[in-house]
Amino acid sequence: NAGVTQTPKFQVLKTGQSMTLQCAQDMNHEYMSWYRQDPGMGLRLIHYSVGAGITDQGEVPNGYNVSRSTTEDFPLRLLSAAPSQTSVYFCASSFLTSGTRNTEAFFGQGTRLTVV
Amino acid sequence: GENVEQHPSTLSVQEGDSAVIKCTYSDSASNYFPWYKQELGKGPQLIIDIRSNVGEKKDQRIAVTLNKTAKHFSLHITETQPEDSAVYFCAASKAGGSYIPTFGRGTSLIVHP
Repeated sequence: NAGVTQTPKFQVLKTGQSMTLQCAQDMNHEYMSWYRQDPGMGLRLIHYSVGAGITDQGEVPNGYNVSRSTTEDFPLRLLSAAPSQTSVYFCASSFLTSGTRNTEAFFGQGTRLTVV
Repeated sequence: GENVEQHPSTLSVQEGDSAVIKCTYSDSASNYFPWYKQELGKGPQLIIDIRSNVGEKKDQRIAVTLNKTAKHFSLHITETQPEDSAVYFCAASKAGGSYIPTFGRGTSLIVHP
């Protein structure tokens, strides 16, 4: 059971370059999200999706785009990388419940991105 | 929206001591409170969770308590070991609609041998 798979693990970009961080899950989770983790700032939500074809902005969406064409995949795109986007990025997924129970979030291993 | 405060940001203990990490939340409708452990170079992983209809939950050396009236919950680790050294995150969310957990800023726990 692979869980949540992120690629690449490490990436160095030059300012202005674009790239896509990949995220895939094999647990049939409806909910997927992207976080960035910076020292002292915890996990900040970038974008999230509650199902295929549905995405929404989180706390820090500027400079990032997402799409959700399938249940399994939720790529994060940096259109024009900036040094301020140097961070560790985590993808997470979970079931989306409508009852009284929530379920845990499963995180990928992270992508360490450096923009120079 | 929900706001989760977590303290302390850093906690240093001797092996064998207990460690307590505290979180407060603002939305009284929140009813699910997970705790995640993040080891160096890895993604956060659930270690224990508690729901609003329970006041305390234990799993071996780890326990979580919840005070709904005061809107705070705590993680207790007893007999700490060096492998407990990690960053711990608390989170809060509520059932229904979009499941969007709000995370605390994390506590770096250091257990000295």
